[in-house]
Amino acid sequence: GAGVSQTPSNKVTEKGKYVELRCDPISGHTALYWYRQSLGQGPEFLIYFQGTGAADDSGLPNDRFFAVRPEGSVSTLKIQRTERGDSAVYLCASSPARDRSYNEQFFGPGTRLTVL
Amino acid sequence: GESVGLHLPTLSVQEGDNSIINCAYSNSASDYFIWYKQESGKGPQFIIDIRSNMDKRQGQRVTVLLNKTVKHLSLQIAATQPGDSAVYFCAENNAGNMLTFGGGTRLMVKP
Repeated sequence: GAGVSQTPSNKVTEKGKYVELRCDPISGHTALYWYRQSLGQGPEFLIYFQGTGAADDSGLPNDRFFAVRPEGSVSTLKIQRTERGDSAVYLCASSPARDRSYNEQFFGPGTRLTVL
Repeated sequence: GESVGLHLPTLSVQEGDNSIINCAYSNSASDYFIWYKQESGKGPQFIIDIRSNMDKRQGQRVTVLLNKTVKHLSLQIAATQPGDSAVYFCAENNAGNMLTFGGGTRLMVKP
């Protein structure tokens, strides 16, 4: 079946602009995660959804970052007033787990965000 | 993206040899560990996982070893192939549902 998909694959924007990044998880997966990966580093957790609600948003760096998952499937990561330091690959992952006893996460290809 | 792992530690092995990639984790409360493989321009791909009540788990050509005493995790790849060339990350899961990733190791396989 289809894996996690993310759109766009690349996004170039200017400093101060607003961007939206989309994630389509694997069908039936209740858990959805956003991570950010900077050059030469491992992914860093941003936010986790269980169904429609954000169960843990402790990784969001500041209030310019926000994410939604209104119907418990597709999620959108929104970044306001983008800064050059926001440039990174934004990864989405989904998991079938309803609790933390089995937490294999399946990653999408990522969206490369470049803020000029 | 294409530039993942520019400044990462690199392990270079000959095709056909065995590879061992090591990882030190930080949280003694972590109870679930995963190894991911990431190729250029792609997201991390699950390789193998292990729970903290085990010290060894084997998959196809891969073995993960867990030493909780020293908080060390290793990934062994048997008969390394050119297609194994990638950046490898270990990740740990503790009280929350998110994964905490290590810094990664680039594996280069020489033909």
